[in-house]
Amino acid sequence: GQNIDQPTEMTATEGAIVQINCTYQTSGFNGLFWYQQHAGEAPTFLSYNVLDGLEEKGRFSSFLSRSKGYSYLLLKELQMKDSASYLCAVRASRSGNTPLVFGKGTRLSVIA
Amino acid sequence: ETGVTQTPRHLVMGMTNKKSLKCEQHLGHNAMYWYKQSAKKPLELMFVYNFKEQTENNSVPSRFSPECPNSSHLFLHLHTLQPEDSALYLCASSQEGSWNTEAFFGQGTRLTVV
Repeated sequence: GQNIDQPTEMTATEGAIVQINCTYQTSGFNGLFWYQQHAGEAPTFLSYNVLDGLEEKGRFSSFLSRSKGYSYLLLKELQMKDSASYLCAVRASRSGNTPLVFGKGTRLSVIA
Repeated sequence: ETGVTQTPRHLVMGMTNKKSLKCEQHLGHNAMYWYKQSAKKPLELMFVYNFKEQTENNSVPSRFSPECPNSSHLFLHLHTLQPEDSALYLCASSQEGSWNTEAFFGQGTRLTVV
């Protein structure tokens, strides 16, 4: 089966650094994605990892360890606008197609 | 401005009504998806269309009926829904065959069944 776990909620202070963890157990693995979703809006793509290691993109970085089934999203210099849900998703091989399987999302609240 | 457009944005319907959700993608992708997003639950994959052919039906009740007339348009026909079907329905598209391609989402339709 498919199982993706991430914390339900996190709170962090403006200007700080926060790390959102994600663990996964899926039948097949073809990459891990992080999405940001503001309330009432569409999820938007943040990052993609398929090889072990850290991918950096501005204030956001994402790390992957395939052997541990583990990823994290690191947000630096937090801003109020970063308050949103962060969705971890795995592209797993299934039926010849590769749709994304999502975790429940982590709701991040950035406070002053 | 998203490359995936969904209409309507909000829909309230009775349990005996029939309605349809529409999705259109302007990205030239070959795969389209319907996801359901309920409170405190992960995004649930409902249907997958690849090159207009339905390739996956994730045990979705028959009161949800998808239609994909071409690779740019996707519909979700709704009939005799239940209150527990109230949720945000998200359409997405991607280019299958490329491992690192992300899925692009529409704004979603907020459905309330009364």
